[in-house]
Amino acid sequence: EAGVTQFPSHSVIEKGQTVTLRCDPISGHDNLYWYRRVMGKEIKFLLHFVKESKQDESGMPNNRFLAERTGGTYSTLKVQPAELEDSGVYFCASSQEGPDLAGGETQYFGPGTRLLVL
Amino acid sequence: AQSVTQLGSHVSVSEGALVLLRCNYSSSVPPYLFWYVQYPNQGLQLLLKYTSAATLVKGINGFEAEFKKSETSFHLTKPSAHMSDAAEYFCSLRGGGNKLTFGTGTQLKVEL
Repeated sequence: EAGVTQFPSHSVIEKGQTVTLRCDPISGHDNLYWYRRVMGKEIKFLLHFVKESKQDESGMPNNRFLAERTGGTYSTLKVQPAELEDSGVYFCASSQEGPDLAGGETQYFGPGTRLLVL
Repeated sequence: AQSVTQLGSHVSVSEGALVLLRCNYSSSVPPYLFWYVQYPNQGLQLLLKYTSAATLVKGINGFEAEFKKSETSFHLTKPSAHMSDAAEYFCSLRGGGNKLTFGTGTQLKVEL
């Protein structure tokens, strides 16, 4: 079974440009999460989709970030326009929907997209 | 409010020595706790998780962690380090809701 995949693996853009990151979750996983790690700091939650609906977007830094999940499959995260402080590693994770039988649903992470804004 | 503190951003051990990576947490609700590992150029991989079933949790690759409520800790240990254990380790918790709160990570170096 394929894991969570992310594209591109690396992106270098100039300040003011637009970048779109893509995440393909594990097939059948209704929950999809975006996280970000700024260099030297902790991994921080950005938002959570359940199928195509945004369940929690409390971690989105500002309105330059737009996440979509059309059809409840893959998701995109667009940064427009990009700023220097947006540099970091963007992780996507997915998990199965359903009762929390044993507590602590497992989130499966992708390899991340390394974004550098110059 | 929830938070995770990992003491020591870098830990170095000799091959065959005990590995101890420290994690303390703060949560207003009973937490679910996780340890993830990230090898170079790979995603985060779940090592183990605490879900209140047992305070001593065994994970993959010989790692285990003990939940101590009185100390609000969830330290990760492995009796004997191997070169292949060199990676970055993240402690995280899930309190209310689904999102994970992470610590800043600990880079483990294993020396011959």
